[in-house]
Amino acid sequence: AQTVTQSQPEMSVQEAETVTLSCTYDTSESDYYLFWYKQPPSRQMILVIRQEAYKQQNATENRFSVNFQKAAKSFSLKISDSQLGDAAMYFCAYRSAGYEGELVFGAGTILRVKS
Amino acid sequence: GAGVSQSPSNKVTEKGKDVELRCDPISGHTALYWYRQSLGQGLEFLIYFQGNSAPDKSGLPSDRFSAERTGGSVSTLTIQRTQQEDSAVYLCASSQGLAGAIEQYFGPGTRLTVT
Repeated sequence: AQTVTQSQPEMSVQEAETVTLSCTYDTSESDYYLFWYKQPPSRQMILVIRQEAYKQQNATENRFSVNFQKAAKSFSLKISDSQLGDAAMYFCAYRSAGYEGELVFGAGTILRVKS
Repeated sequence: GAGVSQSPSNKVTEKGKDVELRCDPISGHTALYWYRQSLGQGLEFLIYFQGNSAPDKSGLPSDRFSAERTGGSVSTLTIQRTQQEDSAVYLCASSQGLAGAIEQYFGPGTRLTVT
C-alpha cells in the first residue's frame, strides 16, 4: 500500500517571502501522479499543482512550483512571494496511474502567513 | 458550471442515530469518491463509484457505513448507529472517469458531530 508523509505539521512565512513544504511517499509503482491540494477554512479542497511521475520536468503554476525527486520519493512544494491568501492547510496526495481510484493523502501542513 | 455540492453543510446527531449525507457530483462525471477527514488529519478514503461498476468499498471502516449512487449521479452515504468517533468532515469528490482524467473535484463537505 502507498503512504504519504508530511513531516511539518505547521509552517510560517512572512508575506512576500518563499516557503517550502515537504512531502515524501512510499510506493512500489513506477507510474503515478502526485498532487498538492490547498484547504482554506471554508473546507473546499483546491488543486494547487500536480506532477506526473513519468515527467522529469518539475511542474510550475504561477507562484507555485514543485521539486520532484523520483528516486528519493520526495515531492516538495515551493510557494514564492507568499500572500495572505495562501494561508491554509496543504495536503500532499498520491494516485496510482493504472487505476482511477482514490487519492492517498498525507496528514497536512498548516501554513500561516504573517503580514 | 456548478461544482460538487453536498448537504447538509453541518449535521449534529445523537449517538446511536442514523444519518444520511448527500453528494451531487458535477454533471457528466462518472466517478465519485467519499473521504473522511477527522479533526486535524488528512483525508481517509471510504468508497469509490465508477459508472455502473460495483463500487470499491475497501475504505469503509465498519459495516455501519454504506453508500449508494442512484442513476449514476447523486450519492448518499449512510452511517447507522452513529458513534462519537464518527465525528468528522465527510468530503465527496467527482471526476470525469475517462482515461487520462486525473483531477478530482471536491465538494465543501459535511461536518458531522455526534453528541
